[in-house]
Amino acid sequence: EPEVTQTPSHQVTQMGQEVILRCVPISNHLYFYWYRQILGQKVEFLVSFYNNEISEKSEIFDDQFSVERPDGSNFTLKIRSTKLEDSAMYFCASRRDTAYNEQFFGPGTRLTVL
Amino acid sequence: DAKTTQPPSMDCAEGRAANLPCNHSTISGNEYVYWYRQIHSQGPQYIIHGLKNNETNEMASLIITEDRKSSTLILPHATLRDTAVYYCIVRPGGAGYALNFGKGTSLLVTP
Repeated sequence: EPEVTQTPSHQVTQMGQEVILRCVPISNHLYFYWYRQILGQKVEFLVSFYNNEISEKSEIFDDQFSVERPDGSNFTLKIRSTKLEDSAMYFCASRRDTAYNEQFFGPGTRLTVL
Repeated sequence: DAKTTQPPSMDCAEGRAANLPCNHSTISGNEYVYWYRQIHSQGPQYIIHGLKNNETNEMASLIITEDRKSSTLILPHATLRDTAVYYCIVRPGGAGYALNFGKGTSLLVTP
C-alpha cells in the first residue's frame, strides 16, 4: 500500500541553523500539508500546498518557514533560523484530490533544536 | 469551523465495542465529520468520515444524529492496538482544507 515517507526520522540542530525536512507524498496525490506537534500538545496545521503554491497557512507559518516541491516527488519544509521552540514532531500529509477527503500522514520527523 | 467536544479519556475492554462520542452542535451544512487517530507519537491515521448518513468501513462505523449535532465512532471489537488518541474534526470537504486537531479522546483498551 502506498504511503507517505519522511526523512530524516530525527534531526538535531543548533539554534539559528537552517533545517530542511523532506517528505515524499503518495505519487498520485495533488494536495500536500505540513503539521507539527510539540511534545505533549495537539497536532497543529502549518501549511497546505497545491499546484505549486501555498493554498492555506496558519499563524505559525511565518517568514522563517518555507515550502517547496523541487521535483515531481519531494515536498520540503525549510526553517531558516531555528529556535528552541521549533522543537517538535513535524508531519507531512498528502491528499489525492477533491474527490477524496482523507489525508494520509507520514511517520514524522522529530526536530530537536539545542 | 464548527467546534467539537470530546471526553478526554475512555476505557474499553478488549473484544468489546468502543463507542466514542463527539458533540458538534454548531456544524454547518457543508461540513463533514472526520475521525482520525494517533497511536503514540505516530502520524495521525484516517479512520472514517461522513456528512449526514451513517458510514461503515473496515475499521469502524460512524453514526451521525439526524440533526448532525453529534456523532459516535464505533470500533466494533476493540483490540489492544486500538489504544490511541481519537480526534473528531469538523471541516468542509473541499480542496486544501487543513485539519484542526483538538485534544481528542485518549482511548485505553485493556486486556
